[in-house]
Amino acid sequence: DQQVKQNSPSLSVQEGRISILNCDYTNSMFDYFLWYKKYPAEGPTFLISISSIKDKNEDGRFTVFLNKSAKHLSLHIVPSQPGDSAVYFCAAGVNQAGTALIFGKGTTLSVSS
Amino acid sequence: KAGVTQTPRYLIKTRGQQVTLSCSPISGHRSVSWYQQTPGQGLQFLFEYFSETQRNKGNFPGRFSGRQFSNSRSEMNVSTLELGDSALYLCASSLGATGAKNIQYFGAGTRLSVL
Repeated sequence: DQQVKQNSPSLSVQEGRISILNCDYTNSMFDYFLWYKKYPAEGPTFLISISSIKDKNEDGRFTVFLNKSAKHLSLHIVPSQPGDSAVYFCAAGVNQAGTALIFGKGTTLSVSS
Repeated sequence: KAGVTQTPRYLIKTRGQQVTLSCSPISGHRSVSWYQQTPGQGLQFLFEYFSETQRNKGNFPGRFSGRQFSNSRSEMNVSTLELGDSALYLCASSLGATGAKNIQYFGAGTRLSVL
């Protein structure tokens, strides 16, 4: 059973507009969440994280929102740029489980100019 | 600072053989985690080594094993290969703390094909 779900396999956005990537989870024990971005032939690259005690974290063009009651988080990219085109993974972790992360299956973002 | 290095990048093996993959973490990082990525299952956690000890293990059969050396370099071994082991194997290194501030840095992966 998938504990972290990214229900949209793909998303297309125009350059300059907002990209919103969504992620749902089922395990209320998760202590923190992260977003990674992956380009072809490269490993995932860390983007931004959020602790379960917060509801928002911002870093430049990237903002992550966490809604614990809905077990939902989202990544907002504003403004979107063609270089943002990649696969985005949502991941979650539990402090007692060391550095083990549970990943979603990813959403492919395409930003057109 | 050099990133996470995984060798080899590509590997072709036949069923029943065994394989060893290598991961050199970022200097100063004591934690190395291994993940398997397949189209159907996405990224799945295999195990984590911290200071030469396995700290966590995912739900994979005993054919998958690993170890970590005193310089933090890690190896992963898969014995008696099956067709379903064909995947991208990713290694990630970090300082080893848990929580939202523990950023894991991934290597480019080893693409294993089992024929």
